[in-house]
Amino acid sequence: DARVTQTPRHKVTEMGQEVTMRCQPILGHNTVFWYRQTMMQGLELLAYFRNRAPLDDSGMPKDRFSAEMPDATLATLKIQPSEPRDSAVYFCASGLVLGTQYFGPGTRLLVL
Amino acid sequence: SQKIEQNSEALNIQEGKTATLTCNYTNYSPAYLQWYRQDPGRGPVFLLLIRENEKEKRKERLKVTFDTTLKQSLFHITASQPADSATYLCALSNNNAGNMLTFGGGTRLMVKP
Repeated sequence: DARVTQTPRHKVTEMGQEVTMRCQPILGHNTVFWYRQTMMQGLELLAYFRNRAPLDDSGMPKDRFSAEMPDATLATLKIQPSEPRDSAVYFCASGLVLGTQYFGPGTRLLVL
Repeated sequence: SQKIEQNSEALNIQEGKTATLTCNYTNYSPAYLQWYRQDPGRGPVFLLLIRENEKEKRKERLKVTFDTTLKQSLFHITASQPADSATYLCALSNNNAGNMLTFGGGTRLMVKP
């Protein structure tokens, strides 16, 4: 049963620290998405990759966030420096073009 | 501006009844619309996809309708069960960007035994 995996599942850090979240998409999927979910804003798209190339990162604060796909089996989302307002659940999802999205379990981030 | 609206208030229904959730949108021309289920502490799970040229889609006890004139989708769960209790999210495609989706805020469904 193929699944999207994310690490870490939980992260507590102090303001100003770097945070790196990792995602392993489902093998064979050629699109990868990063989302942030909060009670106030709901599920927001941060970045979108197709065939490892970034297609859309308009939802991502560029000054502190960065997203990459070093290879087809790994996507990363980094926050540097982190701020308390970054506290949220971060989801990775993968899929095929013109298809559904399969979500990982999420990384719960708390920035103190 | 583009908006996707789902009832933010929880929907409480009795077991066995039909639950109907609404998704309204403005300033979109989606090629398709999807519904996802999200349980607490978990990621959304895909349920159904309906294309712009389809009026209705069914899967077991689930039914989705899509009215592009009204700019509305209805999501029905028949013979509801307590296990159907969850938050349900609708998501619209962006015609210009492959399978990029924009999600509504979700509606929480509570099915009481």
